[in-house]
Amino acid sequence: GQNIDQPTEMTATEGAIVQINCTYQTSGFNGLFWYQQHAGEAPTFLSYNVLDGLEEKGRFSSFLSRSKGYSYLLLKELQMKDSASYLCAVSSGLAGKSTFGDGTTLTVKP
Amino acid sequence: DSGVTQTPKHLITATGQRVTLRCSPRSGDLSVYWYQQSLDQGLQFLIQYYNGEERAKGNILERFSAQQFPDLHSELNLSSLELGDSALYFCASSVDQQASNYGYTFGSGTRLTVV
Repeated sequence: GQNIDQPTEMTATEGAIVQINCTYQTSGFNGLFWYQQHAGEAPTFLSYNVLDGLEEKGRFSSFLSRSKGYSYLLLKELQMKDSASYLCAVSSGLAGKSTFGDGTTLTVKP
Repeated sequence: DSGVTQTPKHLITATGQRVTLRCSPRSGDLSVYWYQQSLDQGLQFLIQYYNGEERAKGNILERFSAQQFPDLHSELNLSSLELGDSALYFCASSVDQQASNYGYTFGSGTRLTVV
């Protein structure tokens, strides 16, 4: 089976930087996704890592270490609208289905 | 609008009943995935289809079934409904099975309430 762990909640201040960690155990690893989900809404795709290293996309960056089963999502210059749940998802197997972590609820305070 | 259409948006039904949730994937996407999200819980994978064929199955109950039709739309059938089946049901699509680079595109979900 798969096991994906991420913190349940985090709080940060507007304008600051926050790092959300995700650890996973899986077989047949294809890649790792990060999604953002506002309450009551659908998840939206943020990033995809298949190789080790850092992928930067504007204010958001995502890092992957396959040997350690570890990833993080880095959010810079936090804005109030960044308050949301951030989901780590691991794609595995020939079918490539994604298994999601329970999500990290980020609250950005003024 | 993500391009993935789910109907209905809301559904209220009684225990023991049967409902059908419908999903039309984004144009050009061949893979369809169904997920269940209960209150304060993560997304639980139910089932995946690719170009009409079942590709992967999660912890989907025997009371639940799904299919993908030749026009690529998909339906999730939930029968003998129980109170615990109340949840948000999301459909997602991707152009291929790996969903690489662009991830899944999610529909807005169907909120099912069983009373």
